[in-house]
Amino acid sequence: KQEVTQIPAALSVPEGENLVLNCSFTDSAIYNLQWFRQDPGKGLTSLLLIQSSQREQTSGRLNASLDKSSGRSTLYIAASQPGDSATYLCAVSLIKAAGNKLTFGGGTRVLVKP
Amino acid sequence: KAGVTQTPRYLIKTRGQQVTLSCSPISGHRSVSWYQQTPGQGLQFLFEYFSETQRNKGNFPGRFSGRQFSNSRSEMNVSTLELGDSALYLCASSWGGDSDNEQFFGPGTRLTVL
Repeated sequence: KQEVTQIPAALSVPEGENLVLNCSFTDSAIYNLQWFRQDPGKGLTSLLLIQSSQREQTSGRLNASLDKSSGRSTLYIAASQPGDSATYLCAVSLIKAAGNKLTFGGGTRVLVKP
Repeated sequence: KAGVTQTPRYLIKTRGQQVTLSCSPISGHRSVSWYQQTPGQGLQFLFEYFSETQRNKGNFPGRFSGRQFSNSRSEMNVSTLELGDSALYLCASSWGGDSDNEQFFGPGTRLTVL
């Protein structure tokens, strides 16, 4: 059974500092890994999708890496801003699973202090 | 291009009642998945529909059911509501039926069971 873990559960940094968010998964037979952002009481916003054949993906200040062999992904957010305060979730889809099913980590709640 | 829409956004029901939630995917997307989010269990997969067929199902009791229409819109139904069904219900849509597709989430329906 695939398990996805995100540590730490919460993180507080001063504005301008780079953010490093970690995600680990137990089954390396994944199709892809997706990072999401969730604001309180809201839905999920897709940030980055990394296919299993890729090592990293970049979008603006965001960069996500994937190491399937070690079962890890890292999301880097450069020069954090107060608007980056949110919960960040990673999710994987498994090759063995039929169709679209994501297994989520518990999330990392980020607070960027002005 | 309109995103994923969910109606209603908020619902208050009492124990024993039933409820129907609706999800309209992004135009052209044929897969709709449903997730339940609670503070204690995080995000858990309910089921997925593709071309009007349920293709994948999570570990939820039979009180949770769903369907998909020919225009890809989907509904989920929860019968005999319990207090523990209080949660944010999210739906996600993706283009195709493969697990390597990026998924896009709606804003969610907040269900409160009294």
